Amino acid sequence: DVKVTQSSRYLVKRTGEKVFLECVQDMDHENMFWYRQDPGLGLRLIYFSYDVKMKEKGDIPEGYSVSREKKERFSLILESASTNQTSMYLCASSLWLASGDNEQFFGPGTRLTVL
Amino acid sequence: AQSVTQLGSHVSVSEGALVLLRCNYSSSVPPYLFWYVQYPNQGLQLLLKYTTGATLVKGINGFEAEFKKSETSFHLTKPSAHMSDAAEYFCAVSPSSNTGKLIFGQGTTLQVKP
Repeated sequence: DVKVTQSSRYLVKRTGEKVFLECVQDMDHENMFWYRQDPGLGLRLIYFSYDVKMKEKGDIPEGYSVSREKKERFSLILESASTNQTSMYLCASSLWLASGDNEQFFGPGTRLTVL
Repeated sequence: AQSVTQLGSHVSVSEGALVLLRCNYSSSVPPYLFWYVQYPNQGLQLLLKYTTGATLVKGINGFEAEFKKSETSFHLTKPSAHMSDAAEYFCAVSPSSNTGKLIFGQGTTLQVKP
């Protein structure tokens, strides 16, 4: 079974702190994604990585950065956390298939609260 | 740009009643289509997907969806709702440009009343 794990289920940080969210997948997937989920707004893509050291901005990259040094690990970094970054963060991974069948596999999510 | 529309952000049914969650997509070519379910405080898990072939797709937990190209729809149904079906459901499409990303709908919260 594909497994995507996230370093924390719940996290509480203070405004201005640097926050690291880690995601690891064990299926050798090329693609990895970070989303945030807020009530009424659905899933919004923050960043996407299609290979080691390769990244692409999603719909809402402001205030975030990412790092992918190894294929299995994709980190989301909040350089200076703010209260408006309180949210549920979801990591996902997928193969890249020429057919377009890019089913994504999700981690359990990290609920981040910034005080 | 391609898009996915889920009609109804909240749907409420009685236990044992038919579940119908609507999804329409915009695409110039037949896409790959997905339904995901999210239980409270969990990640998303795949319910079913349409790739090619049979237009009626069966998924887990008794759910199924029918791809209707003429209506650009991929509605999710279940004949008889169970309390455990209460969750948020997301429809998604793999865009024809095949960027590797999925385009998600806004989600529909299903409430099941006893």
